[in-house]
Amino acid sequence: DTEVTQTPKHLVMGMTNKKSLKCEQHMGHRAMYWYKQKAKKPPELMFVYSYEKLSINESVPSRFSPECPNSSLLNLHLHALQPEDSALYLCASSRGGGPHNYGYTFGSGTRLTVV
Amino acid sequence: KQEVTQIPAALSVPEGENLVLNCSFTDSAIYNLQWFRQDPGKGLTSLLLIQSSQREQTSGRLNASLDKSSGRSTLYIAASQPGDSATYLCAVVNNAGNMLTFGGGTRLMVKP
Repeated sequence: DTEVTQTPKHLVMGMTNKKSLKCEQHMGHRAMYWYKQKAKKPPELMFVYSYEKLSINESVPSRFSPECPNSSLLNLHLHALQPEDSALYLCASSRGGGPHNYGYTFGSGTRLTVV
Repeated sequence: KQEVTQIPAALSVPEGENLVLNCSFTDSAIYNLQWFRQDPGKGLTSLLLIQSSQREQTSGRLNASLDKSSGRSTLYIAASQPGDSATYLCAVVNNAGNMLTFGGGTRLMVKP
């Protein structure tokens, strides 16, 4: 298995809703990432988990809450989002960090629309 | 702070042409550089990964080179096809850690 699987592929939610995005990989990678991508822009890093511990939080608002239940799963819990949070949310994984990176594998993303 | 720049931002060519996409980065202390392809509204597909100790990597019609000392990489696409139309992103991993820094991308259109 050489894939990162993200669900759902599309999500429409109201500003008062609570929803979660899910990401799964079975490549034995120990670093997992959430990125946010707006149209015609490169992805922007949100969170990094390394060995199931949060290692980087790029000053993301608290309405986004990441969770790493185990080495294969990464969730992003969403609450009280704003319309400007509408974007493509990408999950990625790598074997490790720094010199043990060996490249990133990205999922196909979740297209989120906040209404 | 690492900055990655891609030139050109957009490119439109007729089918069959050989192409060169450019990527430059300001901090040469990198672990690796990765080229990705992204179709509209889709995720990123890894094309080539070049470790800092390597000079180039090849996959089919694609060849990527890395000159770490000058902070440059090029992606060469031979005999372009309409199916190559997509946005191409280069990204580097710094020695400092896990962070992947992206360039702004090159939007490629190959016309039949």
